[in-house]
Amino acid sequence: DTGVSQNPRHKITKRGQNVTFRCDPISEHNRLYWYRQTLGQGPEFLTYFQNEAQLEKSRLLSDRFSAERPKGSFSTLEIQRTEQGDSAMYLCASSLLGGSNEKLFFGSGTQLSVL
Amino acid sequence: DQQVKQNSPSLSVQEGRISILNCDYTNSMFDYFLWYKKYPAEGPTFLISISSIKDKNEDGRFTVFLNKSAKHLSLHIVPSQPGDSAVYFCAASDTDKLIFGTGTRLQVFP
Repeated sequence: DTGVSQNPRHKITKRGQNVTFRCDPISEHNRLYWYRQTLGQGPEFLTYFQNEAQLEKSRLLSDRFSAERPKGSFSTLEIQRTEQGDSAMYLCASSLLGGSNEKLFFGSGTQLSVL
Repeated sequence: DQQVKQNSPSLSVQEGRISILNCDYTNSMFDYFLWYKKYPAEGPTFLISISSIKDKNEDGRFTVFLNKSAKHLSLHIVPSQPGDSAVYFCAASDTDKLIFGTGTRLQVFP
């Protein structure tokens, strides 16, 4: 069991640059989630996929954010024209089937710092 | 609007004593609740959960209690150990996603 893997672990970028993060879920898991966590807050839901289909997006996910899961396996989260307010820990999680009574398995996150 | 609330940002407990972490929620439609533990620079890890059809679930040193009428749940850790020092998040299942509280930082001192 390799768990949920996220790369990179840390990313420092200048305001206005684009960044992309990758998440590899647990191999047999169909559901993949992206969350964002800022200091002093709990993880906030951004979006999730059932296989390759993106089923829900939070209002937190502005037009500058895009997520993909092209083959239902790994996922990428891209932020265009980064702003200082984008600085946060971006967490990926996966679950086997989704729905109620399902726990999520989280990766270690990507810490983004926008200068 | 915060649907899941953890009103105590921090808690300090002596080793061997009981730790009680509290969580309140506002949506009566939530039917599944989870506690996650998070160490610095790591993602949250699942600790224990409870369905709304139960009022208690126990796993070793960890017990979660649910009071649906009060929309309140609590996590009891007994006995507390220094390795339990971490941030604890309460979460509620909202259809297909989890909604998290803001967390409580637990420090267990010798």
